[in-house]
Amino acid sequence: EAGVAQSPRYKIIEKRQSVAFWCNPISGHATLYWYQQILGQGPKLLIQFQNNGVVDDSQLPKDRFSAERLKGVDSTLKIQPAELGDSAMYLCASSPGEGEAFFGQGTRLTVV
Amino acid sequence: QKEVEQNSGPLSVPEGAIASLNCTYSDRGSQSFFWYRQYSGKSPELIMFIYSNGDKEDGRFTAQLNKASQYVSLLIRDSQPSDSATYLCAVTGGSYIPTFGRGTSLIVHP
Repeated sequence: EAGVAQSPRYKIIEKRQSVAFWCNPISGHATLYWYQQILGQGPKLLIQFQNNGVVDDSQLPKDRFSAERLKGVDSTLKIQPAELGDSAMYLCASSPGEGEAFFGQGTRLTVV
Repeated sequence: QKEVEQNSGPLSVPEGAIASLNCTYSDRGSQSFFWYRQYSGKSPELIMFIYSNGDKEDGRFTAQLNKASQYVSLLIRDSQPSDSATYLCAVTGGSYIPTFGRGTSLIVHP
């Protein structure tokens, strides 16, 4: 069974630039999460999708972050414009439905 | 706000010993409990889950849950240097959104 696919693996951008991350979940998983993990901290939820609907985006900084899940499968997370404090690992995970999360390899974002 | 607390460590144990990792949570309505292993620079990997009070064993790993005390733990028997990693505790409620602790760093030295 193929795992969660994420791209790119690494990204370095200047502050105020834009960046987008892509995620393809495990086939058949209706639930998709985006997490932000700052070095030394645990993952923090940004947004949860159930199929193509948003379940929770209460911690998504909506003035600069946006996310969508097309046709209930692939998802993209965008940051526009990026700030220095956005430097982190961005993790996509999918779940068959009871909270167990299977993570992709993540995208390491550095904002300079 | 739901909180999951873990001692950041590091916890250092000799090879072959039992490593004990602990986690407390604030939401008494929490339903599912997970342990993830995260190697440096890598993404978290699910290693155990537990839903009911008591112990659950899987190979060298045992998860223990005490809902009355709002406490969940992970025991690793016969610890190996390859077990050196950060261990993340995660808790979900009815919305099935995992809330993570900050993780405990485990070092297994030969």
